[in-house]
Amino acid sequence: EAGVVQSPRYKIIEKKQPVAFWCNPISGHNTLYWYRQNLGQGPELLIRYENEEAVDDSQLPKDRFSAERLKGVDSTLKIQPAELGDSAVYLCASSFLSRDTEAFFGQGTRLTVV
Amino acid sequence: SQQGEEDPQALSIQEGENATMNCSYKTSINNLQWYRQNSGRGLVHLILIRSNEREKHSGRLRVTLDTSKKSSSLLITASRAADTASYFCATDFIPLIQGAQKLVFGQGTRLTINP
Repeated sequence: EAGVVQSPRYKIIEKKQPVAFWCNPISGHNTLYWYRQNLGQGPELLIRYENEEAVDDSQLPKDRFSAERLKGVDSTLKIQPAELGDSAVYLCASSFLSRDTEAFFGQGTRLTVV
Repeated sequence: SQQGEEDPQALSIQEGENATMNCSYKTSINNLQWYRQNSGRGLVHLILIRSNEREKHSGRLRVTLDTSKKSSSLLITASRAADTASYFCATDFIPLIQGAQKLVFGQGTRLTINP
């Protein structure tokens, strides 16, 4: 069974440009997370979906970040415009919507804003 | 955000020795999970311990949970070079409001196993 798939793996863009990341979760997983991880730090939650509903986006910088999860499956995270401080690894994870379940992570997208 | 805090931030030991990492958190939890991350890779789930459990084993891993002290420890016995990675605790905490942040990660412990 395929794990969580993210694309692209790497992205280099100039500041003020838009960028989008894509995530395909594990089949059957209702919960989807987007995390941002800065170098040497732990992942920080940006947004959490339960099916197609964003149940927690309190940490998402809404002036420049947006996310969607179409039909409760794939998800995209967009940044427009990107800033230098957005350089980080963006991780997608999914899990079943039930108590005491583990999250499965994708390989992440390493974004470099120059 | 209400993150767990790992201690130490970095740990370097010889192959064959045991490695112990600690995690402290702030609020009531449903469970606490430990993840491993190799350099440049995604996180891999290691073990989950529920709030009503005190100890759990998985192979060379032993996890303890003390809810009264709001702390957990991860012990890796007979370490191997392949155990070199960053280890994170993640708390699935009971939110005060519906939809609040869950599965919050700490800053991690960078473990280096020297051959």
